[in-house]
Amino acid sequence: DAGVIQSPRHEVTEMGQEVTLRCKPISGHNSLFWYRQTMMRGLELLIYFNNNVPIDDSGMPEDRFSAKMPNASFSTLKIQPSEPRDSAVYFCASSLELGNTGELFFGEGSRLTVL
Amino acid sequence: AQSVTQPDIHITVSEGASLELRCNYSYGATPYLFWYVQSPGQGLQLLLKYFSGDTLVQGIKGFEAEFKRSQSSFNLRKPSVHWSDAAEYFCAVGAGTGGFKTIFGAGTRLFVKA
Repeated sequence: DAGVIQSPRHEVTEMGQEVTLRCKPISGHNSLFWYRQTMMRGLELLIYFNNNVPIDDSGMPEDRFSAKMPNASFSTLKIQPSEPRDSAVYFCASSLELGNTGELFFGEGSRLTVL
Repeated sequence: AQSVTQPDIHITVSEGASLELRCNYSYGATPYLFWYVQSPGQGLQLLLKYFSGDTLVQGIKGFEAEFKRSQSSFNLRKPSVHWSDAAEYFCAVGAGTGGFKTIFGAGTRLFVKA
C-alpha cells in the first residue's frame, strides 16, 4: 500500500516566486497535517484538516501561506510570495480520525530553498 | 495547551550500551503519547504509542517507553543500542476533537559510537 506521497521532493526558487507543495494522503485516512521543520524551530504544525475541512490553521505563519484540501486524496500548501525565511522541509502527514490510533504517517518531505 | 519538552538536544552512547531518552509533557487530561524516529532525509516513523492501560509500552526495533503520570514523563528506553539506531527521536503528545492534533518536542539526536 502506498504511503503519503509528497511532491516536489526538492524545490529551489527565488524570493517573490509562488511555491506550491502537494500531498496525497493514504487512502482512507480522514485527517491531514502540514508540518514545517527547521533547525531553529523544530517541527511546527501549520494546519490540519479533518474530512477535508480545515480544523486548525493557527500555525500558519502569515497570509502568504495558504492550504487547501479539495478532496480526500489531495492537498496543497501554497506560499505566495516566498521569502528566504520560508526555507525549510515541509512534511505532510495523514491519520485515521480520532477514535483510532492517532498515529501519523509522514511523507518524505519537500525541501524548499528560497534564494 | 499541550507541550512537550525533550531536555537533551543530543546524546552519544556506545554500541551495545543502554539508552534512555527523556520526555516531559504538559497536558490537562490523560494524554496520548508517542515516540517517533527520523532518519536523515526521511519522514518520521512511529516507534510506539501510549493511550491507556499498561504504562510500559513496547514498540518496534526493541524500544520501550514508560508513562509516569506523577512525573509527567514518557521516557524512551532500549537495553542495547545498535549503530543503526543513530537518528533523531521525537516525543509527541496528541489531543483535540474533530481531528487529532499532535505536538512534537524539539527532538533528541542520538549518536552511536563503535
